Amino acid sequence: EVQLVESGGGLVQPGRSLRLTCTASGFTFGDYAMSWFRQPPGKGLEWVGFVRTKVYGRTSEYAASVKGRFTISRDDSKSIADLQMSSLKTEDTAVYYCTRYNWHDYRGAVDVWGQGTMVTVSS
Amino acid sequence: QSALTQPASVSGSPGQSITISCTGTASDVGNYKLVSWFQQHPGKAPQLIICEDSKRPSGVSDRFSGSKSGNTASLTISGLQAEDEADYYCCSYASSSTLIFGGGTKLTVL
Repeated sequence: EVQLVESGGGLVQPGRSLRLTCTASGFTFGDYAMSWFRQPPGKGLEWVGFVRTKVYGRTSEYAASVKGRFTISRDDSKSIADLQMSSLKTEDTAVYYCTRYNWHDYRGAVDVWGQGTMVTVSS
Repeated sequence: QSALTQPASVSGSPGQSITISCTGTASDVGNYKLVSWFQQHPGKAPQLIICEDSKRPSGVSDRFSGSKSGNTASLTISGLQAEDEADYYCCSYASSSTLIFGGGTKLTVL
């Protein structure tokens, strides 16, 4: 079964850092880009960023709202994609979703989602 | 980039068809064949129902269909069922390898 499981969410103070981890199973992790999305409570979805595959240098792209503060990385040997968040703001409070960004079988289909992990930024 | 524009809500009766629009610009929706649609039930993760403007991933009901004209994409759900009541989001690839979303549409099945 294709599955993504996020971990690492919780309560953090403004200005501090937090690292989310996404563990994948059921597919050849290294063949797929991985992307993170978020959803503030009661609001819509927002793209956070993504990391490309090894073939494309494992480079990343980010939304303007998080660029310079968030970093997405991957460890293909462990089938893990991380979201390192620093200088957190109250407006970063959201459920964070790890997803598979499928350019292997489709053209840019976000076809697998984790269950989400809640991040609350508050003093 | 600005968010894509969706109606806040739509409604329909069981068995009817509804269409949700998603309007962007020539820099996103109109420039790439890369609009996706997601269904999200309360408290659940989103689920992909349409990709590449009009492709249905395996396992998605053929009652869902996607189309596009110019800068506006559309999602049509035919034969409405109670289980279709959910929030629907459109998403488009945009410049600099970014993704942008619509604000979401709440579908009520009367």
